[in-house]
This record gives sequence, C-alpha cells and structure tokens, in this order.
Amino acid sequence: AQSVTQLGSHVSVSEGALVLLRCNYSSSVPPYLFWYVQYPNQGLQLLLKYTSAATLVKGINGFEAEFKKSETSFHLTKPSAHMSDAAEYFCAVNRGSRLTFGEGTQLTVNP
Amino acid sequence: GAGVSQSPRYKVAKRGQDVALRCDPISGHVSLFWYQQALGQGPEFLTYFQNEAQLDKSGLPSDRFFAERPEGSVSTLKIQRTQQEDSAVYLCASSRQGGSNQPQHFGDGTRLSIL
Repeated sequence: AQSVTQLGSHVSVSEGALVLLRCNYSSSVPPYLFWYVQYPNQGLQLLLKYTSAATLVKGINGFEAEFKKSETSFHLTKPSAHMSDAAEYFCAVNRGSRLTFGEGTQLTVNP
Repeated sequence: GAGVSQSPRYKVAKRGQDVALRCDPISGHVSLFWYQQALGQGPEFLTYFQNEAQLDKSGLPSDRFFAERPEGSVSTLKIQRTQQEDSAVYLCASSRQGGSNQPQHFGDGTRLSIL
C-alpha cells in the first residue's frame, strides 16, 4: 500500500531562513505526490504536485519540491520564509483516486 | 461557484442525533471526495463519487455514515445516531476528472462537535 511519512511534526524557522519540510513515500511504482497547506479553520490548498513530467516541481507562494526516486523522497523547500508561511503542511500520495496524507508538519516562522 | 462550498461551517449536535453535511463542488467537476480530519491529524478518506456513482465507500467508519450525490453535483454526508468519536472536521474535495494525477480542490470543511 502506498503511504507517506513526514519527518518532524513541528518545524520552526526564522523569517528569511530556508524552509525544508521532509516527506518520504513508500511505493513500488512512481507515485503521484502532492503538497497541501492548511491555514487555521480552513481547508487544504494545493501547493504543488508531482506527476512524473519533471523531478523539480515549482508551486505557489515560492515553494518547490524535488522528487528523488533513489531516496524515495519529495521534500518541500522555500528559500526564504515569510511570516505568512506559518501553517500546517501535508504531503499526500494518490492511491487509486483517494489521497493518503501524512501526519502533517506545523511550520512556525519566528520574527 | 469559484471553489468548493461546504455548509454548515460549524455544527453542534447532541449524541444520538442525526446530522447532514452538504458539499457543493466546483462546477463541472466529475469527481467528489469526502475526508474526515481529527484534531491534529491528516485527513482520512471516507468515500468517492464519480458523477452520481459512489465508486468507493471503503473509508466510511460504520453503517451510521451514508453519502449520496443523486444528480452528480451536490453531495450530502449523513451521520445517523451520532457518537462523540464522530467529532471532527469533515472535508469535501472535487476534481475535474477521476484519476491519480488529478489535483483535488478542498472546501473549508464542516467542524462537527458532538456533545
């Protein structure tokens, strides 16, 4: 069964610092992977998706993720954190139309 | 509408009552999904429709949960004889088509509290 593991339930960075949120997947075939962001009391907003067209995927709000098959990883990065990036981030794999989500990573941005 | 719309945003019910949660997907989206999100956790799949057909209901936790999409547009998730463990945020998502590479677009959810 396909699943994802997010390493680190809480990540704290300073404003302007690099953001790195980790996601590893388990799959016997190249999966379809997604990153979503959730702000308090809101639904999930799609940041980016990997569908095998390119290993480096650029998303909204300056985020990007790199698919590394050798490491079974799909980590999310942003060069410079902004206060508005504080939210919960979910990595997900699509398994036969249904999404299977990781446990989430709460990102805190300190001034 | 521009996005997925869910109503009500908040619902409080007493244990044992029935509740109905509504989802209005993005116009023209064929696929519709329901997820349950417990506090501090990622969403968990409940059920999936393609047009009016319910293709997968394997995530529904018990026979108290029932979902329908009779005309292939608006969907309703019904929970009968609610229990405290049903307290969660219920998220609806839609996608243009079925398929694993299709992004799902989420509504803001209904926060259900069972007293």
